[in-house]
Amino acid sequence: DTAVSQTPKYLVTQMGNDKSIKCEQNLGHDTMYWYKQDSKKFLKIMFSYNNKELIINETVPNRFSPKSPDKAHLNLHINSLELGDSAVYFCASSHHGQSNYGYTFGSGTRLTVV
Amino acid sequence: AQSVTQLDSQVPVFEEAPVELRCNYSSSVSVYLFWYVQYPNQGLQLLLKYLSGSTLVESINGFEAEFNKSQTSFHLRKPSVHISDTAEYFCAVTHTGGFKTIFGAGTRLFVKA
Repeated sequence: DTAVSQTPKYLVTQMGNDKSIKCEQNLGHDTMYWYKQDSKKFLKIMFSYNNKELIINETVPNRFSPKSPDKAHLNLHINSLELGDSAVYFCASSHHGQSNYGYTFGSGTRLTVV
Repeated sequence: AQSVTQLDSQVPVFEEAPVELRCNYSSSVSVYLFWYVQYPNQGLQLLLKYLSGSTLVESINGFEAEFNKSQTSFHLRKPSVHISDTAEYFCAVTHTGGFKTIFGAGTRLFVKA
């Protein structure tokens, strides 16, 4: 019954590898987001999709590529992983244009690059 | 563009004492204001929000926040904290009609017995 679910919860991988994180929401929201939380807990938006269309694309290395097969799913693929990519990645969802509702967050994916 | 400043990175407090977590924002347009809470190893949860109307908003677990337009602040308060309130608290702002939420750097509330 989890509203926003992310998999995997933990991901440990070597530098140079390619990995994906998946996110699914069952709230009927039409907008989904990826945020990166660094070791100091700072949250930075990376991407947002509304009805499968990219609407926010912050300054993120092009090794990061989001993909939204439908409005309930938003995946994040990362190529050539670097040590600095280690962080917790959060997926979130909301109703587009209804910014007063706030976001619903997933429980995060802790990525560790070694 | 909006920005959010949380003035304290850490706030240690004894159980049953009152607490205030400070948040100031900057925006040239109307905004909605939010507080989120993040318990250890969990995602963020919406605690309360200010949209319009009464400047004092409350959550179900005893927190309240007051919107002060002249001081561009949205401080979070609780009159008596519990050990279970230990968490990271994030203030956030969204442009009304927009879809990008900007978060502050977070304040770690640590409640001691």
